[in-house]
Amino acid sequence: AQSVAQPEDQVNVAEGNPLTVKCTYSVSGNPYLFWYVQYPNRGLQFLLKYITGDNLVKGSYGFEAEFNKSQTSFHLKKPSALVSDSALYFCAVRVRYGNNRLAFGKGNQVVVIP
Amino acid sequence: EAEVAQSPRYKITEKSQAVAFWCDPISGHATLYWYRQILGQGPELLVQFQDESVVDDSQLPKDRFSAERLKGVDSTLKIQPAELGDSAMYLCASSLWATGTGNTGELFFGEGSRLTVL
Repeated sequence: AQSVAQPEDQVNVAEGNPLTVKCTYSVSGNPYLFWYVQYPNRGLQFLLKYITGDNLVKGSYGFEAEFNKSQTSFHLKKPSALVSDSALYFCAVRVRYGNNRLAFGKGNQVVVIP
Repeated sequence: EAEVAQSPRYKITEKSQAVAFWCDPISGHATLYWYRQILGQGPELLVQFQDESVVDDSQLPKDRFSAERLKGVDSTLKIQPAELGDSAMYLCASSLWATGTGNTGELFFGEGSRLTVL
């Protein structure tokens, strides 16, 4: 069964500094990987996905993520954090061939300090 | 921009009462999902529909939860009777289609229905 680990509960970063949110995954076969963001009392919003090809994928709001197959990681990054990036971030994985069932990590709370 | 519609946004109920949530997916999306998100945790899949058929309900507590998507469009998730541990956010999501090879589609989520059981 597929699973995702997001090791940190909370990530604190000063506004303007680089932001990194870590994610490692476990899946049998080739993965599809996703990042979602959730603001308080809202649904999840899609940020970006890795399907195949270039290991560095770019997404919404200046976010990017790097797929590393040897380390089974898919860390989310942003070069310069904004206060408005403060939210809950979820990494998710699914197998390439299947019924599109996504397994989510527990989430990371990002706090950007002005 | 098309959105997944959910109602109600908030529901407070007493334990042992019945509660129902409704979801209308993005038009043309054949696959519909119900997730439960307990505070401080990631979403967990309760049930997945492909058109009107259930594809996966292995994590649905069938003694008290039921879900239907009769015409393959909108869906209802019901809890009867509600228990204190059911307090959570119930998220509906949809995607173009799920089964088969090569689907890369992401899920589109609604705003969720927050349930509080007293």
